[in-house]
Amino acid sequence: DAGVIQSPRHEVTEMGQEVTLRCKPISGHNSLFWYRQTMMRGLELLIYFNNNVPIDDSGMPEDRFSAKMPNASFSTLKIQPSEPRDSAVYFCASRPGLAGAEQFFGPGTRLTVL
Amino acid sequence: TQLLEQSPQFLSIQEGENLTVYCNSSSVFSSLQWYRQEPGEGPVLLVTVVTGGEVKKLKRLTFQFGDARKDSSLHITAAQPGDTGLYLCAGGRSNYQLIWGAGTKLIIKP
Repeated sequence: DAGVIQSPRHEVTEMGQEVTLRCKPISGHNSLFWYRQTMMRGLELLIYFNNNVPIDDSGMPEDRFSAKMPNASFSTLKIQPSEPRDSAVYFCASRPGLAGAEQFFGPGTRLTVL
Repeated sequence: TQLLEQSPQFLSIQEGENLTVYCNSSSVFSSLQWYRQEPGEGPVLLVTVVTGGEVKKLKRLTFQFGDARKDSSLHITAAQPGDTGLYLCAGGRSNYQLIWGAGTKLIIKP
């Protein structure tokens, strides 16, 4: 099993540009999570999908952030327009549909907005 | 508001020493997970505890869930350089929600 796949691994962009982060969850997992990690705020949940449906997006910072999951094997997190304060490591994680089950994290995308 | 307090935030010790990391909250959790994260990678689950007072051992690592399910500890015996990493605790609140601690950055010097 390849695990959770994220791309790109690193992204450097200029303020105002659109950024799209991609995630392929583990096959058979029906829960998907997008997190943001910074030194100041630690690991923050941005949005949670269950069976491709957004269940909890209360962690999405503002309207500049949007996430989609068009099918069970693909999700995107888009930031438009990007700002320097969006610089962070963004993780995607997937999990089988069991309460309390382990979340499997991808390697993350390190985003730098200049 | 940090619902799950981890301490210490940073710990640097010599190989062979023992250490304990704490995870405390005023809230009750249905479960408590400990993850380890290495640089450039995502967190990886070490253990899940679900019963108050539960103790689990993973080689030199001992995990304990408080009787009231509000706190947890991770004890490492005879630390090795390979134990270096960021240790994160996460409390389960619902069928999907995890409340994350800020993490303990552990460095084991040879």
